Formats: sequence, C-alpha cells, structure tokens
Amino acid sequence: GENVEQHPSTLSVQEGDSAVIKCTYSDSASNYFPWYKQELGKRPQLIIDIRSNVGEKKDQRIAVTLNKTAKHFSLHITETQPEDSAVYFCAAREPPDSWGKLQFGAGTQVVVTP
Amino acid sequence: DAGVTQSPTHLIKTRGQQVTLRCSPKSGHDTVSWYQQALGQGPQFIFQYYEEEERQRGNFPDRFSGHQFPNYSSELNVNALLLGDSALYLCASSFGQGTGYTFGSGTRLTVV
Repeated sequence: GENVEQHPSTLSVQEGDSAVIKCTYSDSASNYFPWYKQELGKRPQLIIDIRSNVGEKKDQRIAVTLNKTAKHFSLHITETQPEDSAVYFCAAREPPDSWGKLQFGAGTQVVVTP
Repeated sequence: DAGVTQSPTHLIKTRGQQVTLRCSPKSGHDTVSWYQQALGQGPQFIFQYYEEEERQRGNFPDRFSGHQFPNYSSELNVNALLLGDSALYLCASSFGQGTGYTFGSGTRLTVV
C-alpha cells in the first residue's frame, strides 16, 4: 500500500518568513494529494489539494507543488502569521480502485514566532 | 449547512469493555471513513463505508467493526478495548470516491 513520509517533524519560523513542508509517496498510481491543518484540539481542515495532472496550485499565501517523477509534493506558506501555527498533514490518495483511502504523513508542527 | 457531527466528544472506558462511536456525514455526502489518530501522529485509516457496505479496510483487527445506515450515518464499534485503543477517532465524509473529505471534530476515547 501507499506510504507517505513527511519532513520536517517540527518547523519554527519568524513571522513574515516562508515555511516549506515536504512529503514523499511510494505508489506512483496515487492521484490526489491534500494538505490538512490541525489546530490543537480541533479537527483536521483541508487547506489546499492538488491532483496528479497538475504541477502547482496556489491559494493566496499557500501553494502546493507536485513532482510526479520524483514522487514528492510540498506545501509552501509565504508571509507566515502567528495563526499559521498548527500541525500540518500531507496525504496521498491510493489508486482509484481503493475507494479514496487517504494515507497521511506523520505531521509537521509549525510554530510561527512574532 | 451542517458539517460532520460526531458523538460523543469524549469517552472513558475500562479495558475489556466495548464502545460505539457515531457519525453523521455532511449534507450531500454518502461515504464515511473512520480514522484513528494517536497523540502526535497522523490519522490512520480504519475503514470506509459506502452504500451500507465496508468498501475498504486498513490494518486494524476484527475488534474494530462498523456499520452504515440508510441515511448515510455510521457507527464505529470497538470490542475488548485495550489501553492502546486510546486515541482520537475521526470520521470523515465525502461524496462517492470524491476527493472532498470533511472531518468531524472527533471522539476522544480514553481506555483505563
């Protein structure tokens, strides 16, 4: 089955700087890659996603890039703000015949210091 | 527009007992997936229900079972609870194999 690795496990950035989180996946047939933000004690919330037929997607300060050849995808947060502090999870959806099962990475704790 | 609702929010059980967790999917969604999230880890897939059938299962023992009702709501049952079952149990709904997962707030299960 799919295996997703996520790095780094913790990331401290100064407010206004950029943050980058990287994930690799094992199954080349995976076709959907969402990113979730989870604040302490709250539900994971989808912040951005990308499909395998797209190389990059942006939404205001957040962007995701996908390299299918290398089987890795990254989350980029620009102009970080204290409210960006949270745990971020990447995920990969296994091939279509697996009914949309998402395999999650272990998470990255992002701390934005003012 | 109601999102995914889970009940109860917190639960304390004794080792060996059985527990039932409940989930109502987001309006318009017909597929329910259950995940276990241990402290400091990413969610781990338990199983997924669509059209009242279990469509796929993760690496969880048979002590974990589920059900989906005609109104798309779902239950997760865990028998013979172990201390290691203590975790946040998340329900996520989507439409078919659609990519739009919406998570509930979870049920925090503590086994003592």
